[in-house]
Amino acid sequence: DVKVTQSSRYLVKRTGEKVFLECVQDMDHENMFWYRQDPGLGLRLIYFSYDVKMKEKGDIPEGYSVSREKKERFSLILESASTNQTSMYLCASSLFSGGTTSTDTQYFGPGTRLTVL
Amino acid sequence: GNSVTQMEGPVTLSEEAFLTINCTYTATGYPSLFWYVQYPGEGLQLLLKATKADDKGSNKGFEATYRKETTSFHLEKGSVQVSDSAVYFCALGPGGATNKLIFGTGTLLAVQP
Repeated sequence: DVKVTQSSRYLVKRTGEKVFLECVQDMDHENMFWYRQDPGLGLRLIYFSYDVKMKEKGDIPEGYSVSREKKERFSLILESASTNQTSMYLCASSLFSGGTTSTDTQYFGPGTRLTVL
Repeated sequence: GNSVTQMEGPVTLSEEAFLTINCTYTATGYPSLFWYVQYPGEGLQLLLKATKADDKGSNKGFEATYRKETTSFHLEKGSVQVSDSAVYFCALGPGGATNKLIFGTGTLLAVQP
């Protein structure tokens, strides 16, 4: 079974702190994703990566950056946390389909609930 | 642009009732369609998917048929259980090698004994 793990289930930080959220997958997937989940808004894509050291902005990248130095690990960084970044953060991974249709499943981690005070 | 609209919740049902959660989409091309489920305190997991028109995805008693003519992918189950209580997300895969997905806002299902 694919396993996606996230470094923390719950995290409390103060405004202005630098925050690192870590995600690791064990299935040699090329694609990795960071989403945030907010009530009434569903999941919104922050950043994704389709290869080591490759990244692309999603729909809401402002205030975030990412790092992918190794294939299995994808980090989300909040350079200066703000209260509006209080949310549930979900990491996912999937195979590189190599085609024009998206058929491969995204596998999700359990999520990190971040509170910024 | 591509988008997904799903019915707002919460949906509250008694055990053994019939379930329908509506999902419609707007997309160019031939996207794949997915239903993901999120149980309390967990991440999302794939429930079922369909990759082309008229395909029916099914799993754990849930079904959804990809209807291109009505741009819909409604989730159904004939007899729900308390253990089906969760948030259900419809998602659209617009294509491309990176497997990006566009998610609906989620529908909370509460099944009462």
